[in-house]
Amino acid sequence: SAVISQKPSRDICQRGTSLTIQCQVDSQVTMMFWYRQQPGQSLTLIATANQGSEATYESGFVIDKFPISRPNLTFSTLTVSNMSPEDSSIYLCSVAWDRGIYEQYFGPGTRLTVT
Amino acid sequence: AQSVSQHNHHVILSEAASLELGCNYSYGGTVNLFWYVQYPGQHLQLLLKYFSGDPLVKGIKGFEAEFIKSKFSFNLRKPSVQWSDTAEYFCAVSNNAGNNRKLIWGLGTSLAVNP
Repeated sequence: SAVISQKPSRDICQRGTSLTIQCQVDSQVTMMFWYRQQPGQSLTLIATANQGSEATYESGFVIDKFPISRPNLTFSTLTVSNMSPEDSSIYLCSVAWDRGIYEQYFGPGTRLTVT
Repeated sequence: AQSVSQHNHHVILSEAASLELGCNYSYGGTVNLFWYVQYPGQHLQLLLKYFSGDPLVKGIKGFEAEFIKSKFSFNLRKPSVQWSDTAEYFCAVSNNAGNNRKLIWGLGTSLAVNP
């Protein structure tokens, strides 16, 4: 398994601003993912963060709105840009390996409220 | 497209009652199956997983799940629940194609156990 931390744990932001969320893992991992979990709903995958290259986005999510960086095998950031109240959600980072261990491990999440 | 359905959205039980949460998926190929749990105020944790072999898998805290391939089901069970099992339970599926490790999630089941 891995120990995953996220910063900030929560934030309240104004409409039109941007917030960058950090995800740090205590060991090297192959894959890092970013999810959104809206109140009372399930998890929705935003993108897969690829080390050294552009993230792979899921349908309905675009790089201009959710730019992602992954400079190394233990760290990634997700930026929520030009925020609106509809972006209020919990944002989760998860990690996985490409062999032997198939499950994903999750960080504690970042609770974002946009006013 | 792949999908996961969890039949029970809200379940209320008394302590010592038996639990069964339904999970069905739609995908014709080989799958990896997971149950995750999210206790109040905590992050998502892996409860149990199935990759291959014995279709009856045992997880933490006395939970088990049975994979029935013919029914595309992976139901979660516990013979006697405790108040501490109050949580949100998510079923998730990934296919075995390639190394993408992407998970498809059910909507979750909120379990409340009354003492």
